[in-house]
Amino acid sequence: NAGVMQNPRHLVRRRGQEARLRCSPMKGHSHVYWYRQLPEEGLKFMVYLQKENIIDESGMPKERFSAEFPKEGPSILRIQQVVRGDSAAYFCASSPPVTSGLSYEQYFGPGTRLTVT
Amino acid sequence: GIQVEQSPPDLILQEGANSTLRCNFSDSVNNLQWFHQNPWGQLINLFYIPSGTKQNGRLSATTVATERYSLLYISSSQTTDSGVYFCAEGLADSWGKLQFGAGTQVVVTP
Repeated sequence: NAGVMQNPRHLVRRRGQEARLRCSPMKGHSHVYWYRQLPEEGLKFMVYLQKENIIDESGMPKERFSAEFPKEGPSILRIQQVVRGDSAAYFCASSPPVTSGLSYEQYFGPGTRLTVT
Repeated sequence: GIQVEQSPPDLILQEGANSTLRCNFSDSVNNLQWFHQNPWGQLINLFYIPSGTKQNGRLSATTVATERYSLLYISSSQTTDSGVYFCAEGLADSWGKLQFGAGTQVVVTP
């Protein structure tokens, strides 16, 4: 059973460009979470999604950031008009549905390291 | 809001030593996880432990939910144990969101 997959692993963008980060959850998981780790800091929650629904986006910056988890395909975190302060590691996690009776454990992907030049 | 406090912030160990890392949290939880972030930045799940005790090899963890703390034990440490150890909790009424502590930086020397 493959784990959470993220791509690309490393992404370099110039200021003003768009960054698209992809996350494929573990098989059977329908909940996806995005977290950001700024240099020398801990991880901060950004957004929690289920298929076609944003459940909690309380950690998302108000502008330039958006996330989706379509019915088909991976979850996408999009950052428009990137700035140097967006340089960070972005981690995706997934968990099984609550109604499955399984645990609330979140499984993390390897992360995407975004560098804005 | 949730306050997750980890101690100590830094730890230097000689190979073979044992250590205990602590995580204090401020509210009732339905999710408590320990992670190891290795020097390459990968985040590795260690334990899902909202309560009770678990063991996995040289690592074990205990969470006492009624007293709002969790402990991670590393025994017979090895250089590969170096990295940052994070605990993270999810509130019972907001289980989708994990709140991370600031981490404990562990360096194991040969």
